[in-house]
Amino acid sequence: DVKVTQSSRYLVKRTGEKVFLECVQDMDHENMFWYRQDPGLGLRLIYFSYDVKMKEKGDIPEGYSVSREKKERFSLILESASTNQTSMYLCASTSDRYQPQHFGDGTRLSIL
Amino acid sequence: AQSVSQHNHHVILSEAASLELGCNYSYGGTVNLFWYVQYPGQHLQLLLKYFSGDPLVKGIKGFEAEFIKSKFSFNLRKPSVQWSDTAEYFCAVTPLLRNNRLAFGKGNQVVVIP
Repeated sequence: DVKVTQSSRYLVKRTGEKVFLECVQDMDHENMFWYRQDPGLGLRLIYFSYDVKMKEKGDIPEGYSVSREKKERFSLILESASTNQTSMYLCASTSDRYQPQHFGDGTRLSIL
Repeated sequence: AQSVSQHNHHVILSEAASLELGCNYSYGGTVNLFWYVQYPGQHLQLLLKYFSGDPLVKGIKGFEAEFIKSKFSFNLRKPSVQWSDTAEYFCAVTPLLRNNRLAFGKGNQVVVIP
């Protein structure tokens, strides 16, 4: 069974801090994704990666960056956290477009 | 802008009632279609998917969805819901020309009253 593990379930940070969210998948998937989920807005794609060191902007990349140094790990970075980045962050992975994405449990991030 | 639309964000119904959730997308050409479900406190999981073939697809827990290409729709149905179907349901689309990117609808929050 595919396992996508996000490092923290809940996280509280302060405005201006640099925040790292980590995601690890155990199925050797090429493609990994970061979304944020907000009530009434559904899931919005922040960034995705289709290979090690390769990344592509999603629909809302502003204020975020990503890192993919190893195939199994995809990190989301908030360079200088702001209160409007308080949200649920979801990581997902898939092998290709014909397979469903597998999601982690999410990290609920609060920026104070 | 190209998008995925889900209507009636909040749906409340009684056990044994029938459920239908609408999903329309605006992408042209070949698409792959998915419905995901998120039960309270759990991660998103796949309910069903459509890539090609029979436009009526069956998923887990008695759900089914029908792809109508002419209407750009992929509506989800269940004839008789249970309290355990209380969840948020998301329609998602992968257009052929967008690699593996999924575009999600805003979701339907479904509450089933015992």
